[in-house]
Amino acid sequence: GENVEQHPSTLSVQEGDSAVIKCTYSDSASNYFPWYKQELGKRPQLIIDIRSNVGEKKDQRIAVTLNKTAKHFSLHITETQPEDSAVYFCAASRGEVFGAGTILRVKS
Amino acid sequence: ETGVTQTPRHLVMGMTNKKSLKCEQHLGHNAMYWYKQSAKKPLELMFVYNFKEQTENNSVPSRFSPECPNSSHLFLHLHTLQPEDSALYLCASSQDFRTPVTDTQYFGPGTRLTVL
Repeated sequence: GENVEQHPSTLSVQEGDSAVIKCTYSDSASNYFPWYKQELGKRPQLIIDIRSNVGEKKDQRIAVTLNKTAKHFSLHITETQPEDSAVYFCAASRGEVFGAGTILRVKS
Repeated sequence: ETGVTQTPRHLVMGMTNKKSLKCEQHLGHNAMYWYKQSAKKPLELMFVYNFKEQTENNSVPSRFSPECPNSSHLFLHLHTLQPEDSALYLCASSQDFRTPVTDTQYFGPGTRLTVL
């Protein structure tokens, strides 16, 4: 089955800096790659997703890139703000196999 | 925030108890999921139901028994659990889970389960 690895496990950045989280997957048949944000005590919520026929997608300060050859995809957050602090999860396959999560802390 | 609801929000049970978790979605979706979220572990997919039929069972112990009476409701029946089963149990729904369809999942708030 699919295996998703996510790095780093924790990430601290200064407010205004960029944050990058990377995930690798093992199954070349994976075709859907969502990213979820989970704030403390709350449910995971989709922030951006990308399908296998697209290389990059952007939504305001958030972007996702996909490299199917290398089997990795990344989340990019620019101009980070304290409210971006949360746990971020990537997923692959049909969106149901999750990475271990990244705790992002944005220091003001 | 009210698209997928879960009850109860918190549950404490002994190892010999029998309890059930309930999930309801008001989004008109056809696929429903149970996940287990433990500290320092990825979200673990447990079960998937698509159009009321179970399509995935990720080697989940038989002490967890899912039930999907219709596309809007999903239950997880619990019996003779172990302390290591303590976790946050999340329900999710999406439009469809058939390959090659891929869908955003919408999560419920979860049930925090503690097994004593």
